[in-house]
Amino acid sequence: GAVVSQHPSRVICKSGTSVKIECRSLDFQATTMFWYRQFPKQSLMLMATSNEGSKATYEQGVEKDKFLINHASLTLSTLTVTSAHPEDSSFYICSAWGDGGELFFGEGSRLTVL
Amino acid sequence: AQSVTQLDSHVSVSEGTPVLLRCNYSSSYSPSLFWYVQHPNKGLQLLLKYTSAATLVKGINGFEAEFKKSETSFHLTKPSAHMSDAAEYFCVPLEDGGYNKLIFGAGTRLAVHP
Repeated sequence: GAVVSQHPSRVICKSGTSVKIECRSLDFQATTMFWYRQFPKQSLMLMATSNEGSKATYEQGVEKDKFLINHASLTLSTLTVTSAHPEDSSFYICSAWGDGGELFFGEGSRLTVL
Repeated sequence: AQSVTQLDSHVSVSEGTPVLLRCNYSSSYSPSLFWYVQHPNKGLQLLLKYTSAATLVKGINGFEAEFKKSETSFHLTKPSAHMSDAAEYFCVPLEDGGYNKLIFGAGTRLAVHP
């Protein structure tokens, strides 16, 4: 079964609304999780590092007020896309390091903003 | 900082023929390197990783890679391609620092023809 689970896998929303994506580590604890964004036919771009119990660390050029990250427990990180616009439409993928030194990835969440 | 170059953006092979996906790294010391595979609209799966324990690394699905320090290479190979191998492949170095981030490059798209 999946080691890192994302929900929802697909979401469609209207422009101006906010969307929350969840990332869960199912059988291990993750003090750190990573959020990536991927445009069609492009590579993954690291957006931010989610830290349990503290603020996320954002990569250069990523708007922290637009992409809110909360890591409230050792198994859950959430990414909220606030006031979404069509240009925010993308594939969002989270990941977390497992105990054996492998970075596990979720199945991804495809966001479409109309 | 570590970086990698995947020398081919697209590789096309016939089913049953060998696969070679090239990756060169740039680092002042031996890096940790990963090969990940991404099938369309899916998350990423680890194929194999190099962490200086052995230069020839065997991964899943018949893939392997050899770390060659003299050539600063970590090419991914498979003796016989299968249709299901068609996907995007990423050679990724492990970033330094406390967060162990994986920064992805452009990747190589593998097409397998009957």
